[in-house]
Amino acid sequence: DVKVTQSSRYLVKRTGEKVFLECVQDMDHENMFWYRQDPGLGLRLIYFSYDVKMKEKGDIPEGYSVSREKKERFSLILESASTNQTSMYLCASSPTLGRGVHYEQYFGPGTRLTVT
Amino acid sequence: RKEVEQDPGPFNVPEGATVAFNCTYSNSASQSFFWYRQDCRKEPKLLMSVYSSGNEDGRFTAQLNRASQYISLLIRDSKLSDSATYLCVVKSTGNQFYFGTGTSLTVIP
Repeated sequence: DVKVTQSSRYLVKRTGEKVFLECVQDMDHENMFWYRQDPGLGLRLIYFSYDVKMKEKGDIPEGYSVSREKKERFSLILESASTNQTSMYLCASSPTLGRGVHYEQYFGPGTRLTVT
Repeated sequence: RKEVEQDPGPFNVPEGATVAFNCTYSNSASQSFFWYRQDCRKEPKLLMSVYSSGNEDGRFTAQLNRASQYISLLIRDSKLSDSATYLCVVKSTGNQFYFGTGTSLTVIP
């Protein structure tokens, strides 16, 4: 069974704090993703990584950075948290199986972050 | 224009009913298609992949129409446990997945 774990289920931080969200997957997947999910907006991609030390911006990277030093771990960093970053953050991983082959994403349980 | 669009619902149906959800996507080069299910305050989980020829898994049938760029999900004989939000997901030629905002289903006893 694929397992994706996230460091916290609930987190409360103050405006201006630096926030680290950690994600670990145990299936040797090449690709890892960070999303945020907000009511009415669905899941929006913040960053993704297709290999160690590689990263690509998603749709809403502003105010975030990421780090992938090891294949199994993908960290999301909020450099200076703001109230508009209050959201549910979901990490996902997926394998790369070759062209034309369906492969799905596996999600972690999510971190509900509140910035006050 | 959004990459993936879904009717948000909500759909409220009685037990035993048949319900269908549709989803449209904008990128004709999209390659992979999925339906995910998300329960309240939980993470999304794969319900089924959608293949070009259509596919069925028990009470669930998924169809893909590439010409019209839409995907459908049919649920027959609805159960109370089918109540959830259903997410349409599309992957194009890159590594990025695009999610619809989800369609909410409540099955009523």
